[in-house]
Amino acid sequence: GAVVSQHPSRVICKSGTSVKIECRSLDFQATTMFWYRQFPKQSLMLMATSNEGSKATYEQGVEKDKFLINHASLTLSTLTVTSAHPEDSSFYICSANPGSVGSGELFFGEGSRLTVL
Amino acid sequence: DAKTTQPTSMDCAEGRAANLPCNHSTISGNEYVYWYRQIHSQGPQYIIHGLKNNETNEMASLIITEDRKSSTLILPHATLRDTAVYYCIVRDYGQNFVFGPGTRLSVLP
Repeated sequence: GAVVSQHPSRVICKSGTSVKIECRSLDFQATTMFWYRQFPKQSLMLMATSNEGSKATYEQGVEKDKFLINHASLTLSTLTVTSAHPEDSSFYICSANPGSVGSGELFFGEGSRLTVL
Repeated sequence: DAKTTQPTSMDCAEGRAANLPCNHSTISGNEYVYWYRQIHSQGPQYIIHGLKNNETNEMASLIITEDRKSSTLILPHATLRDTAVYYCIVRDYGQNFVFGPGTRLSVLP
């Protein structure tokens, strides 16, 4: 299957700092990537849809000024958590759909675990 | 909201078949049934998907009822490494993937 990679896999930061997470599609181009968040013992919740060359689309309740998304190329989307606070500690997962393959299955990265102290 | 309901948890003996049910009574004609699984602290892994016909690949089989209101994921010979949360998702092409709580499968030695 298609490969999606995230970096870093784990990050610990101090409260008030910003953290950038990268999501790359390694063997396909993705005009659209998706960012999910998962709190402990909960399911994945879609945060936003990242669109190459245009603004991201955020789900209701997700602050666009806090979670900055940049999709500058067809293989890279970044999520920046600005002024992070302990309540932002979570597992962040990106995904992408290689639209030319199959009938639309989504492939996920390994996830990035953010801990804000 | 997720369009599917699944049991919260299931156990299966190692080496036996694991049959994971999913109800999707409001599924529409264009919506596919997808199955993913998530092993602890990893991103979800695609397993299989189907529209109407039963499907089989190297990982699993997907059995969809004739009225398409429910389906079953079958892992033919479960191993300890199959312990994970399994998500059944109904989705039309172009729609977002909405994850429900899934089924926590424990494969027991």
